[in-house]
Parts: sequence; C-alpha cells; structure tokens
Amino acid sequence: DGGITQSPKYLFRKEGQNVTLSCEQNLNHDAMYWYRQDPGQGLRLIYYSQIVNDFQKGDIAEGYSVSREKKESFPLTVTSAQKNPTAFYLCASSLGQGDRELFFGEGSRLTVL
Amino acid sequence: GQSLEQPSEVTAVEGAIVQINCTYQTSGFYGLSWYQQHDGGAPTFLSYNALDGLEETGRFSSFLSRSDSYGYLLLQELQMKDSASYFCAVRSTGFQKLVFGTGTRLLVSP
Repeated sequence: DGGITQSPKYLFRKEGQNVTLSCEQNLNHDAMYWYRQDPGQGLRLIYYSQIVNDFQKGDIAEGYSVSREKKESFPLTVTSAQKNPTAFYLCASSLGQGDRELFFGEGSRLTVL
Repeated sequence: GQSLEQPSEVTAVEGAIVQINCTYQTSGFYGLSWYQQHDGGAPTFLSYNALDGLEETGRFSSFLSRSDSYGYLLLQELQMKDSASYFCAVRSTGFQKLVFGTGTRLLVSP
C-alpha cells in the first residue's frame, strides 16, 4: 500500500539535544511538507520541498532543519535552538506543489523533558 | 498576512445536520480545502472548492463564496464516527503553501 510513514511515533528528548524525525513516502510525490500542531493552533508550516535537493522555509522554520537528498525521504531535525519543541509533528506530501490534496503521515509526538 | 477563522467547537446528535463555517483573509486565493482529523491521527482530505458554489461528496458538502471570503462544510446524517476536528485551509500567495485554520472540534452524541 502506498502512503507516508513517520517514525518514531513517540519520542522523548532532554533539553539541549537534537532529534531527527523520519518521513518516508512511496507515493512518488514531488512535494513534501512538515507541519507542527499544537493544541488550539491548527497546523503550522515548518518547511516544504518541491523537488529533490531543494526546500524552503515555512512560517516557523527557526530551530528546525531539513534535507531532501532522495525523493522518498524528507527528515526533520529539531535542534536545541528550538525554544519550545514539545508538539505533534506531521509530515505530508502532494503530487506537485500546487496539488489540492495533501496526504499526511500518522505523526510523531515529541516531548522534551 | 493570512488568517482563517472557524468556531472552536460544535456539538450535534446522531442523524442531525451540522454546518462548520470558515472565513478567511488572504493575499491572493487559489482554493479552500477541508480536512478531517481524529484525535491523535493524520488529517485526511475531504473536499476542495476553487469556484463559488456547492460541492457534494456523499454525506459531506462544501460551499464557497469568494466574494464573501467564506466557506462552510456541511455534514449530513451525522454518525458517531464523525466526531473529529475539521480544518479549513487555503492556498494563497506563492501557491506552494497551504495555510490551515485552528480547527473545529465536532462532538456527535447519541
């Protein structure tokens, strides 16, 4: 079955540590996205990528980094510079950058202790 | 800037009809989408309106009025499994970004 796989589903981190969230898709989609979800604030865009080896900052990119070395993969690193990293992180993909439908993974819940 | 407003919570009973409104302010507009998200799960696409009018997909319908910067999602014959959060989203300036509203939590009771 085609889809988006995020791992890990739950992650705990100590303050000052970097952590990388994995996102893999086998839908052959060009565009991929990372969103952050906090209670009562909807989904906010962190980074997005339209093609391999290219990505752009979203609305809340500070403290995060990404790479897009393969079409299927778009990992997100939450760095120690992110002031409030505890959140639910959602990865998504779409056929193209302007496509009407985003397909989401099941999410990764990060808790900083 | 861009902003979307939705009610925070709506309650209804099984079998009823409920309407979830969304008003938006964007610089440029390409379409209004709706997504459903159950607690702790992935958002899933429900509908998309680029032009004014009503789009119907089974029990769900979505409406758009571009002149009023307004849309709504209509859910008919409500079922318990419809209890979830519903997000409107607009694709606007730059075309690449999909901006989401804060979501409406729908609670369906027996």
